Amino acid sequence: GAVVSQHPSWVICKSGTSVKIECRSLDFQATTMFWYRQFPKQSLMLMATSNEGSKATYEQGVEKDKFLINHASLTLSTLTVTSAHPEDSSFYICSARGGVVSGNGMDEQYFGPGTRLTVT
Amino acid sequence: GNSVTQMEGPVTLSEEAFLTINCTYTATGYPSLFWYVQYPGEGLQLLLKATKADDKGSNKGFEATYRKETTSFHLEKGSVQVSDSAVYFCALFTGGFKTIFGAGTRLFVKA
Repeated sequence: GAVVSQHPSWVICKSGTSVKIECRSLDFQATTMFWYRQFPKQSLMLMATSNEGSKATYEQGVEKDKFLINHASLTLSTLTVTSAHPEDSSFYICSARGGVVSGNGMDEQYFGPGTRLTVT
Repeated sequence: GNSVTQMEGPVTLSEEAFLTINCTYTATGYPSLFWYVQYPGEGLQLLLKATKADDKGSNKGFEATYRKETTSFHLEKGSVQVSDSAVYFCALFTGGFKTIFGAGTRLFVKA
């Protein structure tokens, strides 16, 4: 199946610094990428949806200036957590869709392995 | 709107027990249905899927049947193993941008 990678897999940073997380589709072109946040023992919360070459669409309650998303190419999206604070510590998961069609004609969504961010 | 409801966890079973995790959905149109599994510290992996009514998805001994009449997609496995301990998410996709996830059900399997 299609593969989505994330880098780094975990990161520890100091409060006030910015952190960039990369998401890559390795063997397909991702027309749409998604960024999720997952708190311990909870489900995934969609943060934003991005299409290549256009601005991301953020979910209600997600700060655009805090979580900068850039979908630079059909295989790369980045999430930058700016001026990170301890409450931003979480598991961030990206997902990509595009180019892989399932039986009913709907393309599938593939998930990266996640990035654990800890802000001290 | 579209939604997915899963049974609350955690579910605790002994090894070789039978597993059922219930999932029901509400959707317009004809959604595709999925089960994802998340092992500790990892991202989501697609476990199985079904794209139309009466389809049965299966993988690694797990199976689920797309029941349009009851709007359900229950996950079953005949004999669970300790290695099946994980969180299981039911999800649907209707062809728009977003996949709708259930809240997740945590499964613990004891040796």
